[in-house]
Formats: sequence, C-alpha cells, structure tokens
Amino acid sequence: GENVEQHPSTLSVQEGDSAVIKCTYSDSASNYFPWYKQELGKRPQLIIDIRSNVGEKKDQRIAVTLNKTAKHFSLHITETQPEDSAVYFCAASLNDYKLSFGAGTTVTVRA
Amino acid sequence: ETGVTQSPTHLIKTRGQQVTLRCSSQSGHNTVSWYQQALGQGPQFIFQYYREEENGRGNFPPRFSGLQFPNYSSELNVNALELDDSALYLCASSLVGGGAKNIQYFGAGTRLSVL
Repeated sequence: GENVEQHPSTLSVQEGDSAVIKCTYSDSASNYFPWYKQELGKRPQLIIDIRSNVGEKKDQRIAVTLNKTAKHFSLHITETQPEDSAVYFCAASLNDYKLSFGAGTTVTVRA
Repeated sequence: ETGVTQSPTHLIKTRGQQVTLRCSSQSGHNTVSWYQQALGQGPQFIFQYYREEENGRGNFPPRFSGLQFPNYSSELNVNALELDDSALYLCASSLVGGGAKNIQYFGAGTRLSVL
C-alpha cells in the first residue's frame, strides 16, 4: 500500500518568515495530494490540494509543489502569521479514494 | 450547507466492551470514510462506505465494522475493545460520481478512551 513520509515533525519559524514541509510517497500511481491543517482539538481542514497533472498550485500565502518523478510534494507557507500555528498533514491517494496520511508537522510561529 | 457532525464527542469504555460511533455527512455528500488517529500520528484509513456498501478497507481487523444508511449517515462499530483502540475517530464525507472531485471533509471526531 501507499506509504507517506513527512518532514520535519516540528517546525518553529519567526512571524513573517516562510515555512516548508516536505512529503514523499511510495506508490507512483497516486494522483491526488491534499494538505490538511489541524488546530488543537479541531477537525482537519483542507487548505490546498494538487493533482498529478499539475506541478504547482498557489492560493494566497500557501503553495504546493509536486515532483512526480521523485515522488515528493511540498507545502510552502509565506509571510507566516501566528494563526498558521497548527499541525499540518500531507496525504496521498489514487483517484481521490482512501487518503494515506503523513505523521504530521507541528508548526509554531513565534511572534 | 451543513458540515460533517460526529457523536458522541468523547467516550470512555472498558476493555472487551463494544462501541458505536455516529457520523452525519455533509449535505449533498454520498460517501463516508472513517479514520483512526492515534495521539501524535496521522489519521489511518479504516474503511469507506458508498451507496450503503463497504467500498474498501484499510488494515483493521473484522471487529471494526460499519454501516451506511439511506440518508448517507454512517456508524462505526468496534467490538471487543482493546487498549490500543484508544484514539480519535474521524469521519470524512465526500461526493463521489458525476465528475465530482471527491474532496473529503472531516468531522471533529470522537475521542475514545479504553480503560
């Protein structure tokens, strides 16, 4: 089955700096890669996703890049703000079916 | 548009007991997926229900079972509870078919503690 590895497990950044989280996946057939943000005690919320037919997608301060050859994808958050502090999960799936999640990255934005 | 709701929010059981968790899917959605999230880990896929049938299963034993009802709500049942079943159980609903992108929207989860 699909195996997703996520790094780093924790990330502390100064407010205004950028944050980058990287994930690798094992199944070359995977074609859908969402990112979820989970604040303490709350539901995972989809923040951005990318499909295998594109290499990059951007939504305001958040961007995701995908390298199908290397089987890795990354989340980039620019101009970080305190409200960006949360746990971020990457996931991979085939045809939007079951999501295989990474272990999560705890992001702390220091004011 | 109503979101995904789960009940109860918290539950305490003892080893060997049985538990039923409930999920109401988001309005307009027809598919429910269940995930187990152990503390400090990412969610693990348990199974998915589509048109009241199990549509795929992760690496969980048969004592994990489910149902989907005609209104697309769903139940997760766990028999013979073990200490390792202590986790946050998340359900996610999505729309499958008709060209929909099957984006999964999560509920807030049920925190199960097995003593």
